[in-house]
Amino acid sequence: AQRVTQPEKLLSVFKGAPVELKCNYSYSGSPELFWYVQYSRQRLQLLLRHISRESIKGFTADLNKGETSFHLKKPFAQEEDSAMYYCALINGNEKLTFGTGTRLTIIP
Amino acid sequence: GAGVSQSPSNKVTEKGKDVELRCDPISGHTALYWYRQSLGQGLEFLIYFQGNSAPDKSGLPSDRFSAERTGGSVSTLTIQRTQQEDSAVYLCASSLAGLTFYEQYFGPGTRLTVT
Repeated sequence: AQRVTQPEKLLSVFKGAPVELKCNYSYSGSPELFWYVQYSRQRLQLLLRHISRESIKGFTADLNKGETSFHLKKPFAQEEDSAMYYCALINGNEKLTFGTGTRLTIIP
Repeated sequence: GAGVSQSPSNKVTEKGKDVELRCDPISGHTALYWYRQSLGQGLEFLIYFQGNSAPDKSGLPSDRFSAERTGGSVSTLTIQRTQQEDSAVYLCASSLAGLTFYEQYFGPGTRLTVT
């Protein structure tokens, strides 16, 4: 069975410091991984997907198949990054499996 | 354009009552998904529609839960004989097609409280 693990429920980082949100997964096939974000009083929205190899709002995430990880990183945190972040994995049946989420708080 | 909408935004019901939650996907989106977000837990997949059919119902927690989609558009999630453990935020999402590289767009959710 596929599973996504986000070990940190809460993460506080000072503004300007680097951010890393951890995500590990278990899946027997070739995974497609995503990061979703939910800002305060807003809808859940896609932040980035590994197949795009893109950087969104300064965030990047690299799929490491050896470590089965897809950690989300940003070199310099900004106050507007405070939000709930979910790592997710999708299989061929279009079922998104989410982690339990990490609440990121940026300390001014 | 308009995003995914859900109604009601909040629902308080007594244990044992039936509830219906509604989702209006983005126009033209053929795939529709229901998720549940419980306190302290992640988002839990419930069911997926492609058009009016549901190829994957594996996430429905019990036979008290059912969902339908008519006309390839609006979907309703029905919970019969609600229990307190059904209290959660129910999220709906839609995408252009049931393909992995199409982004899922989420609605604002319905917060269900069973007393």
